[in-house]
Amino acid sequence: DGGITQSPKYLFRKEGQNVTLSCEQNLNHDAMYWYRQDPGQGLRLIYYSQIVNDFQKGDIAEGYSVSREKKESFPLTVTSAQKNPTAFYLCASSGSPGYGTGELFFGEGSRLTVL
Amino acid sequence: RKEVEQDPGPFNVPEGATVAFNCTYSNSASQSFFWYRQDCRKEPKLLMSVYSSGNEDGRFTAQLNRASQYISLLIRDSKLSDSATYLCVVKRRGSTLGRLYFGRGTQLTVWP
Repeated sequence: DGGITQSPKYLFRKEGQNVTLSCEQNLNHDAMYWYRQDPGQGLRLIYYSQIVNDFQKGDIAEGYSVSREKKESFPLTVTSAQKNPTAFYLCASSGSPGYGTGELFFGEGSRLTVL
Repeated sequence: RKEVEQDPGPFNVPEGATVAFNCTYSNSASQSFFWYRQDCRKEPKLLMSVYSSGNEDGRFTAQLNRASQYISLLIRDSKLSDSATYLCVVKRRGSTLGRLYFGRGTQLTVWP
């Protein structure tokens, strides 16, 4: 079945540690995204990538880094510079070019807790 | 001002009720509009797109008012399974692929 796989689903981290969240898709989508969701807040865009080897900052990129070496993969690293990393992280992809399509396909999310 | 504003609710309605959610957007250059549904502690999923002429999908009706910059979602004959958070989502004209703005969601609970 095609879809987006995120791992791990739950992650605990000590302050000062970097952590990398995995996102893999087999939908053959060009574009991939990372969003963060906090309780009572809308999703906020961290980074996005439209093609391999290219990515752009979203609205809250500080303290995060990404890479896009393969079309299928878009890992997110939460660095120790991120002040409030505890959140629900959602990876998404979108396949159709142009400006009319709005459907994002999401992974099941990774819930990060910093102790 | 936030790009997309929604009443967070919660809305608590009995089965069979009709319930409506509204959402406003601040950028007049917004082009495409959507409603996503998110179950508790799960990922969002597209419920329906919103077209200028309004559109219906079974018990769900979406409306767009560009002049007033608001979008609505009407759910008729509510079911227990409709309990979820409904996210209003907007895409700006000319923005890059998939660059969406999400409201914080309206929580709906349908009780028996």
